[in-house]
Amino acid sequence: GAGVSQSPSNKVTEKGKDVELRCDPISGHTALYWYRQSLGQGLEFLIYFQGNSAPDKSGLPSDRFSAERTGGSVSTLTIQRTQQEDSAVYLCASSHFEQDSYEQYFGPGTRLTVT
Amino acid sequence: GQQLNQSPQSMFIQEGEDVSMNCTSSSIFNTWLWYKQDPGEGPVLLIALYKAGELTSNGRLTAQFGITRKDSFLNISASIPSDVGIYFCAGRRRPPPSQGNLIFGKGTKLSVKP
Repeated sequence: GAGVSQSPSNKVTEKGKDVELRCDPISGHTALYWYRQSLGQGLEFLIYFQGNSAPDKSGLPSDRFSAERTGGSVSTLTIQRTQQEDSAVYLCASSHFEQDSYEQYFGPGTRLTVT
Repeated sequence: GQQLNQSPQSMFIQEGEDVSMNCTSSSIFNTWLWYKQDPGEGPVLLIALYKAGELTSNGRLTAQFGITRKDSFLNISASIPSDVGIYFCAGRRRPPPSQGNLIFGKGTKLSVKP
């Protein structure tokens, strides 16, 4: 089936504006993760959702960042009042909890540039 | 945030050479994963390891979960040009059934020798 999809693929925004990034996980995957990847760096965990449980928000860098997952499927990551240091690639991943497999499958990412 | 120590940071390969890279941590991990990322794309899962001492192969790739549970290595045999890219190790500290985020190394960049 289809893999993880993300939109937009690229986003350029002015400092101070709000942005929304979207993730469509693999159908049937109950867990969804957001990561941030700065240039030349590894992936930094932001937030994850598992079924109906409260999300793990421990990786969110500030209260300008928030995410929600509607109907256990699509997720939106929102960054308010964007700053230049928010420029990065934002990656979404999903995994199938019930298969006792914790392998995460990634989307292509959204490249965010804050000018 | 916390990251794994991945080495080498970069390396050059010549077609046909074997390649090795590894990840170490001061903490115990219950799962090790190896990913490859090509430019402009998300990481692609190569190998997943779930038990200490486990040795798993995927074609020309072989990865091992260290006995101490604090390290893992990835070997690529007989490298080919399409092996170039960035390889990331990732570890999960919580055992099943608890889901948890992955902690990533900073990556090993494979390039072709000039």
